[in-house]
Amino acid sequence: DVKVTQSSRYLVKRTGEKVFLECVQDMDHENMFWYRQDPGLGLRLIYFSYDVKMKEKGDIPEGYSVSREKKERFSLILESASTNQTSMYLCASSTRLAGGYNEQFFGPGTRLTVL
Amino acid sequence: SQKIEQNSEALNIQEGKTATLTCNYTNYSPAYLQWYRQDPGRGPVFLLLIRENEKEKRKERLKVTFDTTLKQSLFHITASQPADSATYLCALEGNAGNMLTFGGGTRLMVKP
Repeated sequence: DVKVTQSSRYLVKRTGEKVFLECVQDMDHENMFWYRQDPGLGLRLIYFSYDVKMKEKGDIPEGYSVSREKKERFSLILESASTNQTSMYLCASSTRLAGGYNEQFFGPGTRLTVL
Repeated sequence: SQKIEQNSEALNIQEGKTATLTCNYTNYSPAYLQWYRQDPGRGPVFLLLIRENEKEKRKERLKVTFDTTLKQSLFHITASQPADSATYLCALEGNAGNMLTFGGGTRLMVKP
């Protein structure tokens, strides 16, 4: 079974803090994703990585950065957390087969509260 | 602009009935469409994928249709059970291959 794990289920941080959210997958997937999910707004893609050290901006990258130094690990960084970044953060991974018909496997999510 | 619409209102049905959820999209030409289930406080779980050249796909009590002319997918759960209560998300291939864009999801409540 594919397993995607996230470093924390719940996190509380203060405005202005630097926040690291870690995601690890154990299926040798090429693609990894970070989403945030808010009521009424659904899942929105923050960043996407299709290979080590490669990244692509998603729909809402402002205020975030990412790091992918190893294939299995994809980190989301909030350089200076703000209250509007309070949200559920979901990491996902998928393989990159020809045709791109690839399901995404999600982690359990990190509920981040910024005070 | 591109849009994926799912009914944001919860769908309440009686156990044993068929639940039908709708996913409409505009300004996309997806090669495939996926459906996911999400339980409260958890990440989505993949259920089914249907390709543009497939009109219908089944998996146990689940059935998905894909009408590229109407730009619509229907997701059916037959003989629904309270355990089917969850939020169901549709997702389309995004502009860059391997990326998905998700609809807002529809919450299904199956009452015993």
